[in-house]
Parts: sequence; C-alpha cells; structure tokens
Amino acid sequence: KQEVTQIPAALSVPEGENLVLNCSFTDSAIYNLQWFRQDPGKGLTSLLLIQSSQREQTSGRLNASLDKSSGRSTLYIAASQPGDSATYLCAVRPDRGSTLGRLYFGRGTQLTVWP
Amino acid sequence: EAGVTQSPTHLIKTRGQQATLRCSPISGHTSVYWYQQALGLGLQFLLWYDEGEERNRGNFPPRFSGRQFPNYSSELNVNALELEDSALYLCASSPGGPYQPQHFGDGTRLSIL
Repeated sequence: KQEVTQIPAALSVPEGENLVLNCSFTDSAIYNLQWFRQDPGKGLTSLLLIQSSQREQTSGRLNASLDKSSGRSTLYIAASQPGDSATYLCAVRPDRGSTLGRLYFGRGTQLTVWP
Repeated sequence: EAGVTQSPTHLIKTRGQQATLRCSPISGHTSVYWYQQALGLGLQFLLWYDEGEERNRGNFPPRFSGRQFPNYSSELNVNALELEDSALYLCASSPGGPYQPQHFGDGTRLSIL
C-alpha cells in the first residue's frame, strides 16, 4: 500500500526565507506527483504537477523536484511571504492496478510565515 | 468558468442520522472523486465515479455510498452516522479517465453531535 510522508509537520519562519518542504512515498510506481496548498477550512489549490518522467517543475517562486526511484519530492519556496502561510500537501497518483484514479496524500506541512 | 461546487457548506447531524452531500463538477468533466479529511488522519480517498459508474472505492464501510447523475453531478450519502464521521468532505472533478488532474471544491464540513 502506498504511504506518503511529509516532513516537517510544521514550519514557522520569518518573511524572506527560502524554504524546503519534503515528501516521500513508498511505492515508486506512480504516474505523477502533485503539490497542493490548503487554506484553513478550504479546499485544495493545485500548485505544481510533476509527471513521473520529469525531474522538476517551476511556477513563479515555487520549484518542485521529483526523484521517483528514491521515492522523494521536494518543494522549494523562494523568498517566502506571509501570504504563503497555509498547509502544503503532497499527493501521488498510482500508475496501475486496483488503485487507479485515487490520489494518496501526505498529512501536510503547516507553514507560517511571519512579517 | 465555474469551479467545483459543493453543498451544503456546513451540515450538522446527530448520531444515527443520514447525511447527503452534493457536488457539481466543472463543466465538461465526467469524473467525480470524493475524499474525507478527518482531523489528524489526512485526506483519505472515498469514491470515484466516471460516466455514471463507480470505478473505484476506498477502504470505507458500505454505509458510505454515492451516485453520479446523467449531468455528472454527484451525491455522497452517509448512513447511520457515527461521531468519527465528523470531517471535511472534499469533492474533486476531472475530465474522464484515471490520469487527469483533479480539481477540488471547498468541501462540506460535516459535524456529528
């Protein structure tokens, strides 16, 4: 069974810092990996999606890398801002079998950026 | 373009009652997914519907059920509610098939008293 782990569980930093959020998964048979942002009591906003054949994706101040063989992904946030405060979730999509269609989520990293 | 819409926003029930949650997908999307986000447990996959058929089901008891209508909207029904069913229920939609990106709604907060 696929298990997704995110480290750290919580992070509190001053504005302007560069951040690293980590995600690991146990089964490398994935189709893609996705990073989401969730604000309190809200749904999920997709930030970046990396296909299994890709190594990284970038959007603005965000950069996500994927090492499929080692079961790891990293989300880099450059020059953090208070508006970045949210919970960041990593999710993997299986590429085969009875688990098709579902996303497996980590429990998230709760980020607080203070002015 | 309207996103995924869920109703109601909040739902309060008592133990043993039944709850019905609704989801309208993005126009043109034929797949609907349901997830449960309980406190301390993270997001858990519940159900996937595509073209009116149930395609996959997570590890939840049979009292969690649903359906997809011809217009691709969906209902999630939870019978015999238990205290641990209290959670945020998120719906997502995508174009058909198991590999398309899923777009999420803002969820229904179900509270069991």
